[in-house]
Amino acid sequence: DTAVSQTPKYLVTQMGNDKSIKCEQNLGHDTMYWYKQDSKKFLKIMFSYNNKELIINETVPNRFSPKSPDKAHLNLHINSLELGDSAVYFCASSQDSPGRAFFGQGTRLTVV
Amino acid sequence: EDQVTQSPEALRLQEGESSSLNCSYTVSGLRGLFWYRQDPGKGPEFLFTLYSAGEEKEKERLKATLTKKESFLHITAPKPEDSATYLCAVGSQAGTALIFGKGTTLSVSS
Repeated sequence: DTAVSQTPKYLVTQMGNDKSIKCEQNLGHDTMYWYKQDSKKFLKIMFSYNNKELIINETVPNRFSPKSPDKAHLNLHINSLELGDSAVYFCASSQDSPGRAFFGQGTRLTVV
Repeated sequence: EDQVTQSPEALRLQEGESSSLNCSYTVSGLRGLFWYRQDPGKGPEFLFTLYSAGEEKEKERLKATLTKKESFLHITAPKPEDSATYLCAVGSQAGTALIFGKGTTLSVSS
């Protein structure tokens, strides 16, 4: 079984559309994250959820909204997609330390 | 501002040619330094955690060390399967998520 799974793996969409990326973890971890990796491979935190509560919200446009229906799921909804949103989005989870995180395989979002 | 800088950006080695990757950091209260490996098209995979200066961790051909300002990832007699991007990250007292460097892409040829 995959520890952290994301769907879809690839997402191509037009500017202005709304899309969602789903993430599930079966590790029983309390904290889940969304990271964005840009074209230069720079990985940056977007959101963190601990027991369904948002504990980090970095300087991310409010077009991005994380939703956590339960401890095992953290979905990312994006409104009014822009060209600059094109990137790879990674979901991750951790238990005691944010450093010992388990990452999903990533969702490559391309906005055309 | 918390910051992580990795060097070099890219490194090409021959199989068996040992070398080191550098990660220098400035952080307000280090809560761990972490090394990850990322293969193309995949998510980062955890390798090591270091918490205090002088600490060392080893795994197969990799050895990570930590000082008060930087960390090194030493690769001894690398093999082609060690080719990947190696990411360094720090946790700080100011935040609850990681701050990543831009990574070093290692290519090992046989």
